[in-house]
Amino acid sequence: DTEVTQTPKHLVMGMTNKKSLKCEQHMGHRAMYWYKQKAKKPPELMFVYSYEKLSINESVPSRFSPECPNSSLLNLHLHALQPEDSALYLCASSQGQGDGETQYFGPGTRLLVL
Amino acid sequence: GEDVEQSLFLSVREGDSSVINCTYTDSSSTYLYWYKQEPGAGLQLLTYIFSNMDMKQDQRLTVLLNKKDKHLSLRIADTQTGDSAIYFCAVRGYQKVTFGTGTKLQVIP
Repeated sequence: DTEVTQTPKHLVMGMTNKKSLKCEQHMGHRAMYWYKQKAKKPPELMFVYSYEKLSINESVPSRFSPECPNSSLLNLHLHALQPEDSALYLCASSQGQGDGETQYFGPGTRLLVL
Repeated sequence: GEDVEQSLFLSVREGDSSVINCTYTDSSSTYLYWYKQEPGAGLQLLTYIFSNMDMKQDQRLTVLLNKKDKHLSLRIADTQTGDSAIYFCAVRGYQKVTFGTGTKLQVIP
């Protein structure tokens, strides 16, 4: 099983809303990632969790708040977003964070901020 | 930081071979990947190559790596309409993977 699942598939929210994106994997992977992808652009790394601890934060605004409740789950809490935050949010996981650790991606959540 | 470049667009006829190219800057890169992304979907890992290899073949896919020139290519034999997608190369450096700009492959029936 090499599946990473993400919910919801689509999300529309206003700038004053609070919402959460969820990601789950049952491959026993210990590293999980959030990426943001704008249309026709490559994915941009936002956060990396390794062994449930935040190891990389790519200077993401505080209106994005990641959480890793356990080794299988990764959340991204959203609050007071801006229209320019509209994008495809991709979750990925890998066995670890070291060399040669292939990342497997979920299908993404398409977010629209009005 | 790492720069990973790809040409934006490639158009081929069904049944022909496609070659998608990628150049990168970090010579210490260890693993290099090819991902496929269909419209509205996530990234699907197609194949990868370790930096001490020159070539890897996996069914219709052939990856060539020229480490001296920092050039990676993906050849798709007998290209099908289902191969139409955006293809990203990705390069692993220290702790991070950097994605290329993506090549949109259009397959003409």
